[in-house]
Amino acid sequence: EAQVTQNPRYLITVTGKKLTVTCSQNMNHEYMSWYRQDPGLGLRQIYYSMNVEVTDKGDVPEGYKVSRKEKRNFPLILESPSPNQTSLYFCASSLRHEYEQYFGPGTRLTVT
Amino acid sequence: AQKVTQAQTEISVVEKEDVTLDCVYETRDTTYYLFWYKQPPSGELVFLIRRNSFDEQNEISGRYSWNFQKSTSSFNFTITASQVVDSAVYFCALSEAEGSTLGRLYFGRGTQLTVWP
Repeated sequence: EAQVTQNPRYLITVTGKKLTVTCSQNMNHEYMSWYRQDPGLGLRQIYYSMNVEVTDKGDVPEGYKVSRKEKRNFPLILESPSPNQTSLYFCASSLRHEYEQYFGPGTRLTVT
Repeated sequence: AQKVTQAQTEISVVEKEDVTLDCVYETRDTTYYLFWYKQPPSGELVFLIRRNSFDEQNEISGRYSWNFQKSTSSFNFTITASQVVDSAVYFCALSEAEGSTLGRLYFGRGTQLTVWP
């Protein structure tokens, strides 16, 4: 089944404790992206990757890191999480940037 | 300034009413792509439609239709004879295809549609 998977689905952590949210797609898509969704703000792009080893900042990259060493994986790293990073995070992939995106199920992150 | 504006934060209608969700975008690119996505109460994001900047033909898919007008930078979405299952948050999005913003995807803040029985 074609899909985007994210793990974990739910995470409660404390300020400053490094964490990684994994994202994987099995559709051989070139483009992958991370978004955060906050009430009243819609979806905001954090980072995106046009292909392996190519990543760029989106609207809200501060406090996040990404890497794209393999085509299928695009992990999101929070080196030192803060409470303002409490949010719902979505990973997505598409054949290329101009095509429709397939979204993962989301990761609900709470930083206390 | 926001690249994609969905001025309607919330809309409530009664079943069988028609409803239009507005989307206004801003770009200097000649080539760009517009999308609509649906987020039902279960939380997943579902793709509805994609339109490129060179194709202004309106599209109809069942009860859904889309009106793309470059002259007013709008890409509006109409649901005809709405149903309770249409209740969701709807997002409009813009992907630019030129220059330094190639690959960026901008979402509007979404419109919460509630359809009452």
